[in-house]
Amino acid sequence: GAGVSQTPSNKVTEKGKYVELRCDPISGHTALYWYRQSLGQGPEFLIYFQGTGAADDSGLPNDRFFAVRPEGSVSTLKIQRTERGDSAVYLCASSETSADNEQFFGPGTRLTVL
Amino acid sequence: GEDVEQSLFLSVREGDSSVINCTYTDSSSTYLYWYKQEPGAGLQLLTYIFSNMDMKQDQRLTVLLNKKDKHLSLRIADTQTGDSAIYFCAEIPNAGNMLTFGGGTRLMVKP
Repeated sequence: GAGVSQTPSNKVTEKGKYVELRCDPISGHTALYWYRQSLGQGPEFLIYFQGTGAADDSGLPNDRFFAVRPEGSVSTLKIQRTERGDSAVYLCASSETSADNEQFFGPGTRLTVL
Repeated sequence: GEDVEQSLFLSVREGDSSVINCTYTDSSSTYLYWYKQEPGAGLQLLTYIFSNMDMKQDQRLTVLLNKKDKHLSLRIADTQTGDSAIYFCAEIPNAGNMLTFGGGTRLMVKP
């Protein structure tokens, strides 16, 4: 595709459930980033992949959050035992390389935990 | 607190210039960015400036960087109603690849 895509666009779940959020980066981009944006705030970094490996996961809030990128393209952010405080827009971005200073963002997945 | 700070709100009249300000704390930041976010949409990269530059102009947008004061500004000339959005300042610290964002400035353009 032409840009970064994310699915689903909206996800409503109940407290305690497991969710998966998907990101398709721009074709050929080796670096992929996940951010979380809470209402009224700027995005906050979660995790960054270079290829298949997580180069920096220092932004993951706790061990309920996990992300994978097994083939170096599509990435899945996984949240176990969701809590109401996890409600936010989850944004994915990609860049051509890790040294590239331009990150292109997807439209985000709005997660609501009831 | 946040490493990047912005004022919350700015209101201007159509045709006027808008100036959105930002302060940051990491003096080793190599790049500083301005992103635009419209309701329900993702983040759109507007422009960025390398830390060894003082100014960058791109059509209606002018970015000014004062490294001594760690102050970044975005000037939008001839502001239009379509410029109404939230504008985020961001930096990439020298030690990483991730963007650190400010809280965003909501720009409202009155006709």
